[in-house]
Amino acid sequence: DAGVTQSPTHLIKTRGQQVTLRCSPISGHKSVSWYQQVLGQGPQFIFQYYEKEERGRGNFPDRFSARQFPNYSSELNVNALLLGDSALYLCASTSWEIGTYNEQFFGPGTRLTVL
Amino acid sequence: DQQVKQNSPSLSVQEGRISILNCDYTNSMFDYFLWYKKYPAEGPTFLISISSIKDKNEDGRFTVFLNKSAKHLSLHIVPSQPGDSAVYFCAASPFGNEKLTFGTGTRLTIIP
Repeated sequence: DAGVTQSPTHLIKTRGQQVTLRCSPISGHKSVSWYQQVLGQGPQFIFQYYEKEERGRGNFPDRFSARQFPNYSSELNVNALLLGDSALYLCASTSWEIGTYNEQFFGPGTRLTVL
Repeated sequence: DQQVKQNSPSLSVQEGRISILNCDYTNSMFDYFLWYKKYPAEGPTFLISISSIKDKNEDGRFTVFLNKSAKHLSLHIVPSQPGDSAVYFCAASPFGNEKLTFGTGTRLTIIP
């Protein structure tokens, strides 16, 4: 079975531009979360989506937005890019079963560089 | 406010010896704790977890210990192998809410 896939692998943008990152969850997983990992730090939670509904949002500005599609894939959009948005963006999927802890499985990430 | 802390940025251990990675947390709402391992150019890989109703969980060479009163957990790897060289992240969440809060990571190097 394929794991979580993300595209593109690498991306270079300039300040002020907009970027869209894509994620496909593991087959059968209905929940997708996005994390930002800045160099030297641990991943930071941005969003969680389940069945196309936003279920959680981290402490990120409104320039960050996301959505989930009927096939459970997801996009993360970042507008008006700043140098500080340079990071590895990770997508994680989970099965969302009731009554049990649902471990998250991470994709390889998209490395965004803002110049 | 760093709710999950890994105070050792790096750790070097001889092959075959025990590796002990530590993690502290401050949020009392956390009741599920996980360790992830990360290689360069890959996403974090789940290693082992523990819920707050337990104080120990073992999986092969990996054991996680939880001390709730001290808000401290540790990961023991024994015996350590060269393939264990990676960055290890401690993460925590409230049960039923899979929003993970991560520590800053510890780079483990196993010396052959």
